[in-house]
Amino acid sequence: AQSVTQLGSHVSVSEGALVLLRCNYSSSVPPYLFWYVQYPNQGLQLLLKYTSAATLVKGINGFEAEFKKSETSFHLTKPSAHMSDAAEYFCAVRKDTGRRALTFGSGTRLQVQP
Amino acid sequence: KAGVTQTPRYLIKTRGQQVTLSCSPISGHRSVSWYQQTPGQGLQFLFEYFSETQRNKGNFPGRFSGRQFSNSRSEMNVSTLELGDSALYLCASSLTSGEADTQYFGPGTRLTVL
Repeated sequence: AQSVTQLGSHVSVSEGALVLLRCNYSSSVPPYLFWYVQYPNQGLQLLLKYTSAATLVKGINGFEAEFKKSETSFHLTKPSAHMSDAAEYFCAVRKDTGRRALTFGSGTRLQVQP
Repeated sequence: KAGVTQTPRYLIKTRGQQVTLSCSPISGHRSVSWYQQTPGQGLQFLFEYFSETQRNKGNFPGRFSGRQFSNSRSEMNVSTLELGDSALYLCASSLTSGEADTQYFGPGTRLTVL
């Protein structure tokens, strides 16, 4: 089974600073990788997904992620943080080949300081 | 197009009772998955339905069950509730059975067991 590890349960940045949220995956086959965001008292919203079409994936709200096979990483970045980016972010991988179930990382709570 | 809807949004039950949660997928979506989110265990996959058939099941006891109707709406049932069942239950729908399919999440049902 595939899994993901998110490094850092809490990340704090200043408004306007670079956002970097880390995600490493373990997979014996090319994975399908996703980043979701969850705002308080809401469900999950897809930011972006990797399906092997391109290693640099651009998502919504200015976020992007780069798939690096050599590092088994799929880190999420945004050049300039905005107060509205404060939320919890989850990296996810398709659980098993041929199935749709997702395995989620433990999440990273992003705090944006004014 | 309307998103995934879940009812009710909040629910309070006592130990030993049973509960039914409902999920209406995005129009045209035929796959529905359920996840449990708790502070301790994070996001965990419960089960997935496609065309009224359970396709995949997570590692949860038999007290957790679900079904899907011909219009793709889905329900999940938890019998003999335990305190540990308190969680946010998220439903996600996707268009087809493809591995790269995006799962779109509803706002969740927050279940509190007293």
